[in-house]
Amino acid sequence: DTGVSQDPRHKITKRGQNVTFRCDPISEHNRLYWYRQTLGQGPEFLTYFQNEAQLEKSRLLSDRFSAERPKGSFSTLEIQRTEQGDSAMYLCASSPRGGGPNEQFFGPGTRLTVL
Amino acid sequence: QKEVEQNSGPLSVPEGAIASLNCTYSDRGSQSFFWYRQYSGKSPELIMFIYSNGDKEDGRFTAQLNKASQYVSLLIRDSQPSDSATYLCAVTPFSGNTPLVFGKGTRLSVIA
Repeated sequence: DTGVSQDPRHKITKRGQNVTFRCDPISEHNRLYWYRQTLGQGPEFLTYFQNEAQLEKSRLLSDRFSAERPKGSFSTLEIQRTEQGDSAMYLCASSPRGGGPNEQFFGPGTRLTVL
Repeated sequence: QKEVEQNSGPLSVPEGAIASLNCTYSDRGSQSFFWYRQYSGKSPELIMFIYSNGDKEDGRFTAQLNKASQYVSLLIRDSQPSDSATYLCAVTPFSGNTPLVFGKGTRLSVIA
């Protein structure tokens, strides 16, 4: 399978715990994006990387959230001190290099439930 | 605040009919427009994109863009029950390295 992969697919945690999600983009895609989606809403942008550089962060990304892409390949998204409001689907997408229309391809997502 | 507006639906059409899904956007500088399909509990799947005024066809799908009216639509011909899903419209202000701004999606139900 050469698509975007995410791990884990589901995560249940207690409030106050830390969680970390991983995303592996499509091979040779240099751009990687994180989005969050709650029920009845479209995905909302969190942050994105071009290679290893984090180029933009949304105001949604509080200081409890951190993301890395250390070697320009896979990325991790960590949420510290989780809150019930963090319960959502966390989506990763990647897009190829180049000046085209920036088609983004999504992984299957990680569904987080904070109890 | 860049906004993308979609009617949440549900839009119900009979099998074999044309489904018409609409989207408006607030940022006049928007350049690229995307339609994604999302089945319940799954992640968005890219259907097609458009960046020039007019129509773009891909199989049963046609995207239509009118930048003057800040309006983009998706037509699905010969609708099938398997087309029943939420359709998300997404917009980027420029080509290149920019995140997508999504609407809330329109839920389509194709009745057999």
